[in-house]
Amino acid sequence: EAGVAQSPRYKIIEKRQSVAFWCNPISGHATLYWYQQILGQGPKLLIQFQNNGVVDDSQLPKDRFSAERLKGVDSTLKIQPAKLEDSAVYLCASSLETRNTEAFFGQGTRLTVV
Amino acid sequence: AQSVTQLGSHVSVSEGALVLLRCNYSSSVPPYLFWYVQYPNQGLQLLLKYTTGATLVKGINGFEAEFKKSETSFHLTKPSAHMSDAAEYFCAVSSLLAQKLVFGQGTRLTINP
Repeated sequence: EAGVAQSPRYKIIEKRQSVAFWCNPISGHATLYWYQQILGQGPKLLIQFQNNGVVDDSQLPKDRFSAERLKGVDSTLKIQPAKLEDSAVYLCASSLETRNTEAFFGQGTRLTVV
Repeated sequence: AQSVTQLGSHVSVSEGALVLLRCNYSSSVPPYLFWYVQYPNQGLQLLLKYTTGATLVKGINGFEAEFKKSETSFHLTKPSAHMSDAAEYFCAVSSLLAQKLVFGQGTRLTINP
């Protein structure tokens, strides 16, 4: 079974530039999550999709971050414009459903904003 | 709101020694509890989870954890540490109502030869 695929693995941009991350969840997984993991901290949920609908985006900085999950499969997370404090690893995860089932994580995208 | 506190950001043990990583949670509803492991430059991998039923949960790589409601704890243990256990460990909580997974700050485990 293929895992959660993310690209790119690494990205370096200057502040005020824009960047996009891509995630392909495990086939058949209805729930997709984007997490932000700042160095030395635990992952923080940015947004959660159930199919192509948003379940929770309460911690997404909506003035600069956006995410979509067209057709309920792949997802993209965009930052525009980026700030220095956005430097982090962005993790995508998916699960069969939202409750007590396991969330499977991708390898993440390490973003450095300079 | 749910939250997780991991006691000790860094734990160091000798190879062959007992591993104990501490996790306390806060939840107003029955929690679902998870331990994940993260190796350098990798995503998170599930070690074990508690949802309902038996309070002692066994996971992969010889790890286990016990859910203690009275202590609001879900500590992770392994009887004998191996060098390959060196990694970052995260405790997380969710619930039937809250659904989203809330992580602790993580504990970095170092194994000394």
